[in-house]
This record gives sequence, structure tokens and C-alpha cells, in this order.
Amino acid sequence: GESVGLHLPTLSVQEGDNSIINCAYSNSASDYFIWYKQESGKGPQFIIDIRSNMDKRQGQRVTVLLNKTVKHLSLQIAATQPGDSAVYFCAEKGSWGKLQFGAGTQVVVTP
Amino acid sequence: EAGVAQSPRYKIIEKRQSVAFWCNPISGHATLYWYQQILGQGPKLLIQFQNNGVVDDSQLPKDRFSAERLKGVDSTLKIQPAKLEDSAVYLCASSLAGTSGDNEQFFGPGTRLTVL
Repeated sequence: GESVGLHLPTLSVQEGDNSIINCAYSNSASDYFIWYKQESGKGPQFIIDIRSNMDKRQGQRVTVLLNKTVKHLSLQIAATQPGDSAVYFCAEKGSWGKLQFGAGTQVVVTP
Repeated sequence: EAGVAQSPRYKIIEKRQSVAFWCNPISGHATLYWYQQILGQGPKLLIQFQNNGVVDDSQLPKDRFSAERLKGVDSTLKIQPAKLEDSAVYLCASSLAGTSGDNEQFFGPGTRLTVL
């Protein structure tokens, strides 16, 4: 079936560097995507979202890019901090608000 | 604003036993979701309620899982009998309304279930 998946299971990044987390989706009809951050022992937390009529959206230290041609989106975190260590999920939102999550990328920030 | 509350936070049971999880959504949120998150995977939707009605339960293993939201507020998810593969974190989320597709889902801390 249609799925949302991530390329890398673990990303190690040095504090202060920029992080890029990638996500591929297979449903070309998808029109709304969300990035979530999940810290250990907590539920997923909304970071940023993007609609399919946009290529880029910026938040505080985060930017999401959407490439509909290759069905790919990415999350960029600027000046990565220790508090950014977590698992990051992209999710596709379908009808009735149903979320379909990818497997996640573990981001480890090293000093 | 209080977040989504879940209890218990941890539960250990033996296979074939029963277990129940409780969720109290954010006040005023009409839509409530139960997700199953197996270790190393993303959450998977089990069931979605709009007020006290079921919107989507297509991925709920109905032979052993059941959920209810009788008064359109709190919800319980039950597993009876549990299997080893049910070991996971069970997440509850709520949103103002699910039909528009844009309402943010707020997640609770989850209940970590271990089936021995």
C-alpha cells in the first residue's frame, strides 16, 4: 500500500551544525505533511507542516522543503542543539485527519 | 492548557491476560485517536473517534482490541487476551476536529505495555 518512509535510521550531528532529515512518500495525491519530534518517553510533538501547494516553509530554526516531482520532503534544523536530540517522523495526513507515519530518524547531537 | 493525559504510564502483563488503558483528551477536543507504536517504528492509528462515534477503526484488531468513548470525552482501549506482539507504546491524541484535516493532533505521553 501507500507508505511514508525515511532514508536514514540514525543521524549524528555536531552541536552547532545544521541537520537535514529526509523523507520519501509514495502517494502522489498526498497534499499535507507534518514533521514531528519525539523525545524519549514522550508522545510526538508537532514541529512544522507544509501543504502540497508550497515548496518551502520556515519556522523557528526549522525549514521544511517539499519536492513533489520526486515525492520527497526534508526537515532542516539550523544550529542543532543538544535539545534537538530525538526521533523525527514525517507524517502524511489523509482524510478525517488520519496520520500515516514513517519509521523515524534518530538524531543524536554530539558536543 | 492541560495536555492529553494517559494512564497507566507503564504496564507489564503476561500473555493471555487483559489490560486497559485510559485517555483524557484536551478539554473541548472532539476527535480522539489511539495509536500503537512498536519499538523502532512510527505510530500506527488503531481507532479514531469523533465525539462518541467511531470514524475509523480499520486497523484495529477487533478480535482482541476494543475501544470506547461513551460520553465523548474520556476513552478506554482494552486488549483481551494480550499477545506477545502487543508489546508497544499506546499513544492517545486529540484534536479540535478531524474532518478539516488541518487540526493539529496533540499527543499524550503514552502507555508502555510489555507482554511477557
